[in-house]
Amino acid sequence: SQQGEEDPQALSIQEGENATMNCSYKTSINNLQWYRQNSGRGLVHLILIRSNEREKHSGRLRVTLDTSKKSSSLLITASRAADTASYFCATADNFNKFYFGSGTKLNVKP
Amino acid sequence: DAGVTQSPTHLIKTRGQHVTLRCSPISGHKSVSWYQQVLGQGPQFIFQYYEKEERGRGNFPDRFSARQFPNYSSELNVNALLLGDSALYLCASSWGGRHTEAFFGQGTRLTVV
Repeated sequence: SQQGEEDPQALSIQEGENATMNCSYKTSINNLQWYRQNSGRGLVHLILIRSNEREKHSGRLRVTLDTSKKSSSLLITASRAADTASYFCATADNFNKFYFGSGTKLNVKP
Repeated sequence: DAGVTQSPTHLIKTRGQHVTLRCSPISGHKSVSWYQQVLGQGPQFIFQYYEKEERGRGNFPDRFSARQFPNYSSELNVNALLLGDSALYLCASSWGGRHTEAFFGQGTRLTVV
């Protein structure tokens, strides 16, 4: 299966700390995208990293991709209570069909 | 600019009934995909349409069908509903090419009783 799998399943930190989530996948990918989901609502797109890229930044977000290890990480710096959500990585094939893992539940305590 | 819109937002149906879910993509986007998200799990791919043609289908029974209209909006139909079809159904919109972000709607919460 091409499905991404996030690790850890749950993460609880204090406001101001950094949060790191990891994603592993099994087959070659076209790109990998990270999404946030608040309380069972729609998915919010965070960042896209192409298979030939190693690192991307967007505001407080930093994403890395290691295609040799088939893994990616999402770092959220200086976390806020509003960052509390579930985070999913999605691997995309050549037709932009996505394969999601079960997500990481992040709880940021004020 | 309007994002991806889905209707209805919530729906309660009885086992054996039929349901139609609707999605309007972002203006200019030609690809629509449907995903099912069961509570506590990640979204699972159901269908993808591009330029009104089915480009991919996930591992779902034939009770699930979809189509895309000339204005690129889409419908997902589910026949003979089962309790296990209760889920959040998400629609994703994108340009359709490689390396393009997909934007999701807020979803339709379907409860089958």
